[in-house]
Formats: sequence, C-alpha cells, structure tokens
Amino acid sequence: DIQMTQSPSSLSASVGDRVTITCRASQSISIYLNWYQQKPGKAPKFLIYAASSLQGGVPSRFSGSGSGTEFTLTIGSLQPEDFATYYCQQSYRTPYTFGQGTKLEIK
Amino acid sequence: QVQLQESGPGLVKSSETLSLTCTVSGGSISSYYWSWIRQPPGKGLEWIGYIYYTGSTNYNPSLKSRVTLALDTSKNQFSLKLNSVTAADTAVYYCARGPSGGSWNWFDPWGQGTLVTVSS
Repeated sequence: DIQMTQSPSSLSASVGDRVTITCRASQSISIYLNWYQQKPGKAPKFLIYAASSLQGGVPSRFSGSGSGTEFTLTIGSLQPEDFATYYCQQSYRTPYTFGQGTKLEIK
Repeated sequence: QVQLQESGPGLVKSSETLSLTCTVSGGSISSYYWSWIRQPPGKGLEWIGYIYYTGSTNYNPSLKSRVTLALDTSKNQFSLKLNSVTAADTAVYYCARGPSGGSWNWFDPWGQGTLVTVSS
C-alpha cells in the first residue's frame, strides 16, 4: 500500500493567516493526489484533485501544489469556516489511502 | 444534486456481521463507482472498497476476506457486509460516489455517515 503522511498533525492559526499543510507519499504518485476538508461530526468535503485543480465551488484562497512524493495544501487567508481537519488521499492505485489528517485550530 | 444516505444497525455484536445500505437519491446509481469508507472514532479515513454499477468490485486487501459489496439498481441502493467483526471495526461508516473523475479517482459526494459500534 502507498502510505500518506501529513505534517503537521495539528496547527494553530489566526483568521487572515496563510497556512500550508504538507502531504508526503511513500512512493511517487505523479499528481494523483486529492484533498478533503472535514468538520466535526460531518462527512469529508472534496476540495482539490490532481494535486492542484480546485473542485467547483471551492474558494480560490485554497490552492494545491506538488508532484511525485511531496504535496502541499495552502489556504491563502484563513476564514472562520476554514478551521477543520484536512486529509490528503492518493488516487494513484488501489487501495486508495488517506493521510492521517491535519487539524487546523483557531489560535 | 445527488445525495447519499447510510442506514443500518448502530450496534453489532462481536463476531457477527455488520450490514449497511446506502440509498442514492437525486441521480441514478448507473454509470458510476460507489465506495464505502470508514473512520474509527478520532482517527483517519480508510477506504473499504468500491462497486461499479455493473457489479464489479475492488476491495481493500486489509479487509478483503471479510467484505462483500452489492448493489440493487432497482432500489438505487448499494450495500456493505463485513463479517466476523471485532471492536477494531467500530467506526463511522460513510458511503460515497467514487472513485470518479476518470483517472483522478476522487470521492464526492459523501453520505452523512453512520456510527457502528461493535460490542462484546
């Protein structure tokens, strides 16, 4: 299986801050990397596919980058509704695997 | 838009079979892949497997020996059976459409999730 590792596991930030979350794959996955946002008690929400393409309706303050084994999710200017847990998911091969999550908390 | 809703018992006894159904509304189950994904309390996400509308399946090897996915196109539903459950199978179980997007293989949308607790 392809192992996905996110860092940091948790992050404190303030409204208006720019934050970056990193996701590393245990082997090269080209750009087969998706990102999700999950709020407490809710299902994950799909944000980004192919490492950098925003799903429709996702605010432009979200951006993704990377290829191979290292990827980043950046939120340009944090809004109150962005405080949540973020997961990366490799879509290169089955079994599809997720990172352990990065919890973004209000400072 | 397409909506998914999980249903089934919230409590299952150890060694028995967990059975869940996902009802798809607002769209047809045909022409898509459909997955089950689970999340133990306070932990990350684990893909269980998918079923295509033709009935073909792909399971996570870690669960393959215990999992069966099926679909009922007449009811626009698909289902999960996980046998010989243990406490380690306690989780919120989500159904989702996907993998979708051609080769990009994303999951969207998701059901709201249902907590299944395995009791001894």
